[in-house]
Amino acid sequence: GENVEQHPSTLSVQEGDSAVIKCTYSDSASNYFPWYKQELGKRPQLIIDIRSNVGEKKDQRIAVTLNKTAKHFSLHITETQPEDSAVYFCAALFSGGYNKLIFGAGTRLAVHP
Amino acid sequence: NAGVTQTPKFQVLKTGQSMTLQCAQDMNHEYMSWYRQDPGMGLRLIHYSVGAGITDQGEVPNGYNVSRSTTEDFPLRLLSAAPSQTSVYFCASSPTATNEKLFFGSGTQLSVL
Repeated sequence: GENVEQHPSTLSVQEGDSAVIKCTYSDSASNYFPWYKQELGKRPQLIIDIRSNVGEKKDQRIAVTLNKTAKHFSLHITETQPEDSAVYFCAALFSGGYNKLIFGAGTRLAVHP
Repeated sequence: NAGVTQTPKFQVLKTGQSMTLQCAQDMNHEYMSWYRQDPGMGLRLIHYSVGAGITDQGEVPNGYNVSRSTTEDFPLRLLSAAPSQTSVYFCASSPTATNEKLFFGSGTQLSVL
């Protein structure tokens, strides 16, 4: 079936450390993998995405890597800051029927000063 | 542009009542979708639409109906509310059905007693 698994469910780091969140997906035909950040009480917002024709993408302190053979992708946040504290969701685009975006269960990241 | 507008922001229902959550977007997006968010379970897709007159089921469609008579509007109907439908509901849209940023509404907090 269409499934995205995300680990860990919670992550606690010290300010300045790096944080890594990992996701796996079930359909080898998936070709689009976005990451969303949701601050407390707010709506999810896209922070970075990657398509299957590239293996890595960076945007300042955030990077995403994709391993299509293993069907997993990861979010890397370097030099974490307290404002990075939020819930992060990975997602994958599935094309069974019409295209639809399926999300992982989320990772609650806490960055401690 | 107002973006994606959801109403109401909060709603309390009694078991067995019906209601409609409203969602409208003014960006001429083809793709619209409904997600529910429950603690520890991420964002789960309820129903989605790839254009006016075209809808499909997501991961958790039971107990919900949708229709898409116009490009702008995508209402979600709860036929007979149950306590298990207590959740935060997000409507989201994107320009097309493939690998593009989702724009989320601000959410509806629904409690079913």
